[in-house]
Amino acid sequence: DAGVIQSPRHEVTEMGQEVTLRCKPISGHNSLFWYRQTMMRGLELLIYFNNNVPIDDSGMPEDRFSAKMPNASFSTLKIQPSEPRDSAVYFCASTPGGTNTGELFFGEGSRLTVL
Amino acid sequence: TQLLEQSPQFLSIQEGENLTVYCNSSSVFSSLQWYRQEPGEGPVLLVTVVTGGEVKKLKRLTFQFGDARKDSSLHITAAQPGDTGLYLCAGSGGSNYKLTFGKGTLLTVNP
Repeated sequence: DAGVIQSPRHEVTEMGQEVTLRCKPISGHNSLFWYRQTMMRGLELLIYFNNNVPIDDSGMPEDRFSAKMPNASFSTLKIQPSEPRDSAVYFCASTPGGTNTGELFFGEGSRLTVL
Repeated sequence: TQLLEQSPQFLSIQEGENLTVYCNSSSVFSSLQWYRQEPGEGPVLLVTVVTGGEVKKLKRLTFQFGDARKDSSLHITAAQPGDTGLYLCAGSGGSNYKLTFGKGTLLTVNP
């Protein structure tokens, strides 16, 4: 079975450009999470969707970040305009249900470098 | 805000050695998970512990949840190069979805 699929795997862009990261969760999973990982701060939850609805976006750094989940099989995380401090690995994860005792299934991540 | 402190931050050992890494907090967690992350990959769940004092074994890995559910440890016996990776603990508290992750212990097992 396919796991969580993220694209692109690597993105290098210049400051001020728009960045769009994409995620396809595991089929049948109804919860989706976007995380950001850096050496300094570790894994930080950015936003959580349940049944395609954003439930908690308190981790989104600022208005430059936005996320959508138009259907159960696709989500995007957009940064506009991008800044060097946005450089990080962005992970998408999904779970079958909305509880936190279940396993989080992570994608391979999108490594973003903003010059 | 619940915080999880992991120690040591870095650990480099020789194949065959034993090691223990720690995950500590001042907060109580309803459950705690351990993940391993290899370079260029996402974290993969190793185990979930739920009950205070619980001990779980996964081959050469032994996980323990503290009696007060504020801390956890991971012990690896006879480490192998394949054990190399970033070990992350993640705790769940009052909310039904939010996991708090520690920053991890980066383990390198040299052949």
